[in-house]
Amino acid sequence: EDQVTQSPEALRLQEGESSSLNCSYTVSGLRGLFWYRQDPGKGPEFLFTLYSAGEEKEKERLKATLTKKESFLHITAPKPEDSATYLCAVSTNDYKLSFGAGTTVTVRA
Amino acid sequence: NAGVTQTPKFQVLKTGQSMTLQCAQDMNHNSMYWYRQDPGMGLRLIYYSASEGTTDKGEVPNGYNVSRLNKREFSLRLESAAPSQTSVYFCASIPTNTGELFFGEGSRLTVL
Repeated sequence: EDQVTQSPEALRLQEGESSSLNCSYTVSGLRGLFWYRQDPGKGPEFLFTLYSAGEEKEKERLKATLTKKESFLHITAPKPEDSATYLCAVSTNDYKLSFGAGTTVTVRA
Repeated sequence: NAGVTQTPKFQVLKTGQSMTLQCAQDMNHNSMYWYRQDPGMGLRLIYYSASEGTTDKGEVPNGYNVSRLNKREFSLRLESAAPSQTSVYFCASIPTNTGELFFGEGSRLTVL
């Protein structure tokens, strides 16, 4: 059974204080690892797809990296608008994505 | 484009009542999904439809039924609601061969 574990559960940052979120996974035959952002009361919004170990993707202050066992989402010099819950998901043979429980990030001005 | 539209947004049911959550997408996607989201447990797949005319169980299908009415619409039915089905339900669709799920805004269901 696919397992996705995210840590920490919650992260409180000062504006400008860079940090990283972790997503560790156990799957047989990773097809893709995905990061989503979810704002309160909204549906998740797609951020990145990573397909193979060593791959990196960037978008504004976010950078996602992938190894064979985990992925990191680095937030560089965060701003209050980066406050959200960040979800990690994996897919294997088909596109039934398995999600982690998420990391809730709060950035204080 | 509206994307993925879910109705209703909020619903309160009594134990034993039935209801249907509606979902429609206007992006011509083949695959559609129903997830539930509970605190501390993340999103869990209830049912999915890889293409029009097909449906398959996900991780937590018990107590639910689905209908893929056509390519645009995928409904989720609770035949006899239970308090354990209190949750936020998300419908999503996906273009072929990508992992980029497009989610609706969610339907918040409370079963008393």
